[in-house]
Amino acid sequence: SQQGEEDPQALSIQEGENATMNCSYKTSINNLQWYRQNSGRGLVHLILIRSNEREKHSGRLRVTLDTSKKSSSLLITASRAADTASYFCATDVSLGGYSTLTFGKGTMLLVSP
Amino acid sequence: GAVVSQHPSWVICKSGTSVKIECRSLDFQATTMFWYRQFPKQSLMLMATSNEGSKATYEQGVEKDKFLINHASLTLSTLTVTSAHPEDSSFYICSARDHAGWKTQYFGPGTRLLVL
Repeated sequence: SQQGEEDPQALSIQEGENATMNCSYKTSINNLQWYRQNSGRGLVHLILIRSNEREKHSGRLRVTLDTSKKSSSLLITASRAADTASYFCATDVSLGGYSTLTFGKGTMLLVSP
Repeated sequence: GAVVSQHPSWVICKSGTSVKIECRSLDFQATTMFWYRQFPKQSLMLMATSNEGSKATYEQGVEKDKFLINHASLTLSTLTVTSAHPEDSSFYICSARDHAGWKTQYFGPGTRLLVL
């Protein structure tokens, strides 16, 4: 089964509001990454948080990681219509000497003007 | 940042034909490359992991004889969908990891395959 599970599956907000997406996972991780994908397009890497970090910021993005609860959250502040996209968390897990990324199901974010 | 390209960006083919997708790391040497498949409104599913010069490791449920992966050089991996059928229509995304920055995977822009 997939390592990461996001919630909510879909989120609809107005411009200017904050959007929070959550991700839960099952096993120990090296790091957790968040990606964005516009409809039918490739992935855009947003932010990486290591297993020994608890919070990280990048512009309007804030990511938290709670390894005891095996969960992470992505907060987008002051959202814009251009933030409309699908957001995926991905866990970097070591397997047999190399590491691999496993993606969650994603959250579809719709930001209305 | 590191760049990964894919070619073609989209392809339409008839059922029964084979399609080759190329994935190139443009400014770094990729010791490991990954192939993902994404169906509409779904997440990325890892199909296989390939290390340069060795056979690919396929995920459970992925037919190795149908999805041929070749990682012959440190900058090129190819995925060949053999005898494609309509159910193989999907978005195929490759990613590459270099041996220097092994914690970061760089993703290609994806290839959309439509099998008629």
